[in-house]
Amino acid sequence: DAGVIQSPRHEVTEMGQEVTLRCKPISGHDYLFWYRQTMMRGLELLIYFNNNVPIDDSGMPEDRFSAKMPNASFSTLKIQPSEPRDSAVYFCASSSITRFEAFFGQGTRLTVV
Amino acid sequence: GEDVEQSLFLSVREGDSSVINCTYTDSSSTYLYWYKQEPGAGLQLLTYIFSNMDMKQDQRLTVLLNKKDKHLSLRIADTQTGDSAIYFCADQSTGGGNKLTFGTGTQLKVEL
Repeated sequence: DAGVIQSPRHEVTEMGQEVTLRCKPISGHDYLFWYRQTMMRGLELLIYFNNNVPIDDSGMPEDRFSAKMPNASFSTLKIQPSEPRDSAVYFCASSSITRFEAFFGQGTRLTVV
Repeated sequence: GEDVEQSLFLSVREGDSSVINCTYTDSSSTYLYWYKQEPGAGLQLLTYIFSNMDMKQDQRLTVLLNKKDKHLSLRIADTQTGDSAIYFCADQSTGGGNKLTFGTGTQLKVEL
């Protein structure tokens, strides 16, 4: 398996624009997580899914953030409209019920100018 | 909610042992993990320990868990320059799905 795949690796966008981050989890994994990493706040869990269903979205900062998982092999994190304070590295991770450790993608570095 | 804390920096000489410490608050932690993050990269799982264990050794890595004090440590023997990275501890608890709560990360710098 190629591991967790995220795209794009880097995204630069202007304030107010819509941004969509994509993630392909490891095949067969039941759980998918979206994390955000900043210098100030470290790694924060934004939302996680189990079997494509959102379980806990309490970490989503505002209504501007939304996440979907239409099927077991794809998830998106959307920010609309984006703001400079959303600049961060966004990680997607997946895990399975049988092996608990989470495997991370390479991350998407988002810069909102 | 759960809280996981680590010291921010550690500097060691090449060849010495490094010990990175972590404290957590969740009494129902089931697994505790150590991840490594190199610059510009994602998080790489190094090792983990189940909460009913005291110690786990994996080549140069030794994990010690004091469940009573909720203290976790990672010892890296014979530290090399390639070990320079940020190390995160994370805990996973029952009732929380598979989600992980991460510490702030400890930046390990290995000097020649």
